[in-house]
Amino acid sequence: EAGVTQFPSHSVIEKGQTVTLRCDPISGHDNLYWYRRVMGKEIKFLLHFVKESKQDESGMPNNRFLAERTGGTYSTLKVQPAELEDSGVYFCASSQTAAGGLRKETQYFGPGTRLLVL
Amino acid sequence: LAKTTQPISMDSYEGQEVNITCSHNNIATNDYITWYQQFPSQGPRFIIQGYKTKVTNEVASLFIPADRKSSTLSLPRVSLSDTAVYYCLVGNTNAGKSTFGDGTTLTVKP
Repeated sequence: EAGVTQFPSHSVIEKGQTVTLRCDPISGHDNLYWYRRVMGKEIKFLLHFVKESKQDESGMPNNRFLAERTGGTYSTLKVQPAELEDSGVYFCASSQTAAGGLRKETQYFGPGTRLLVL
Repeated sequence: LAKTTQPISMDSYEGQEVNITCSHNNIATNDYITWYQQFPSQGPRFIIQGYKTKVTNEVASLFIPADRKSSTLSLPRVSLSDTAVYYCLVGNTNAGKSTFGDGTTLTVKP
């Protein structure tokens, strides 16, 4: 079974440019998450999709970030315009909904996209 | 979400057993405890999850005392390839965001 894949693996752009990151979750996983780690900080949650719907976008830093998941399959995260402080590693994760109860489901992470804004 | 506290770093030698303890004093009744491992240039990888007492899988064991205010990840006979950052997470929803702390950087020496 293929894991979570992310594209590109690295991106170097100039301040003010636009970058679009893509995440392909594990097939059949309804839940898709975006996280990021900026320099020296911990991994922070950005948002959560359930199929094509945004379940929780409380971690999105500002309106320069736009996430979509058309059709409930892959997702894109666009940063426009990019700022220096957006540099970091952007992780995508996916999961199934655990059957029954309140068990915390296992999230499977992709390798991340390393973004550098100059 | 319950906040977790872990040691920033730990050193060990090949073949030793490593125990990493995580404090989560404000854990809620419905919270589960999950540990992830992260290698450089990779995303976090699920290791083990538990609610109470002891859980064991092919990779590690997880010990959770009765009060559940802490948990200990036990890695038997570590090797150099176990050098990584280990995160303890506490979550109480079936599907929802995971909150990562600073993690524990484990360095295994030959």
